[in-house]
Parts: sequence; C-alpha cells; structure tokens
Amino acid sequence: GAVVSQHPSWVICKSGTSVKIECRSLDFQATTMFWYRQFPKQSLMLMATSNEGSKATYEQGVEKDKFLINHASLTLSTLTVTSAHPEDSSFYICSARMSEKLFFGSGTQLSVL
Amino acid sequence: AQTVTQSQPEMSVQEAETVTLSCTYDTSESDYYLFWYKQPPSRQMILVIRQEAYKQQNATENRFSVNFQKAAKSFSLKISDSQLGDAAMYFCAYRSLQGGSEKLVFGKGTKLTVNP
Repeated sequence: GAVVSQHPSWVICKSGTSVKIECRSLDFQATTMFWYRQFPKQSLMLMATSNEGSKATYEQGVEKDKFLINHASLTLSTLTVTSAHPEDSSFYICSARMSEKLFFGSGTQLSVL
Repeated sequence: AQTVTQSQPEMSVQEAETVTLSCTYDTSESDYYLFWYKQPPSRQMILVIRQEAYKQQNATENRFSVNFQKAAKSFSLKISDSQLGDAAMYFCAYRSLQGGSEKLVFGKGTKLTVNP
C-alpha cells in the first residue's frame, strides 16, 4: 500500500518557539493532504486541508496564523506551529489521499514546555 | 453536518472469538464512503475496511467484515477469529462525496481488548 512518512515522530520545544512537521507521500503524488490533531484518548479532529500550490483550508476554530501549512510540491506538506504554547501539546497526524483511500503518517507527538 | 457515533467506548473479546463494533452516522446524502480505521498503541492509523454507500454488498477483508444498513445508517465491524494483534482503538469514519469534499469525520473510537 501507499506510504506516508511523517517527521519528526516526537518533538519537545520551549514555549514561544516554532516547530515544523513534515508529511511526505513516498510512492505517490498527493494533491491534497490533511492535518489532524488528536488529544489523549480522543478522536482525530481535522485541522486543515492542504492543497498543492494553493492556500490551505482551515476548519472552524483553527488559527491559520498559528498553524501554518505549506504544500509546495505533490509529495510534501508541512505544518508549522508558530509561537508554541503548552496548550498546543498534542499528537498531530497527517494523511494523503490516493484513489478513494486515505493513508496516514505515523504522527508527531508535540510537547511544549 | 455529518456526525459519526460509536456507542461502545470499550469492548473486549476472547482470542479466537468474534466481536462486533457498532457505528451509526447521520447524513442527508445518498452517496458517501464509510471506513473503519485501527489505531494500535503505536498510534499509526491503519485502514481496516471501506464501504461505498452505493454498493449493497457488505465489504469483507479477510477476518474483517461489515454489516452496512443504509436505511438505518448503521455500519458495524465484525472481527472473526480475534487475535492478540487486533487489540487497538477502532475508529469509524464517514466521507462525503458531495461538493468536492474529501473530509473524513471520525467517531470517538472503541477500545478493543483481546484476552488470551
């Protein structure tokens, strides 16, 4: 099946710094990628839809200036958490669509101190 | 907006037995996709099975099968011959086909424990 690579797997940062998470489709091209957030023991909540070559579409309540998304190529989307704060600590997962199936990255655990 | 409900926060099954996980959804659309995803402790989301709403035949993937009841808006997952490796969180998800939407709406999940 298709492979989606997400890096880093975990990151610890100081409050006020920015963190970039990468999501790559390794063996297929993805014009659309998705970023989800998952709190402990909860479901995945869609944050934004990343479109190659255009602006991302953010879900209601998600601050686009805080969660910067760039989809510069057909195989790479990045999520940058700017000026991170402890409340941004969470598990972030990306996914990419191939045909009618969505394939997920392995996730990034972000801990903001 | 579409909603997905998983009414069983936790389920347990004996190894080699069969278990059914429930999922209901709410939509006014006639065509859509439904999915079951597995999330083991590694937290990697793994696609288990997919069902197209226009297909009457229930999808099957080896030991995994679904009971899709379109009129009742029900989409349950049956796991036969349960194995220890089946222990995970299971999420039911809905995807609309209208308006170019590619969003997946997830239920809150069911934690499955497999007892040896």
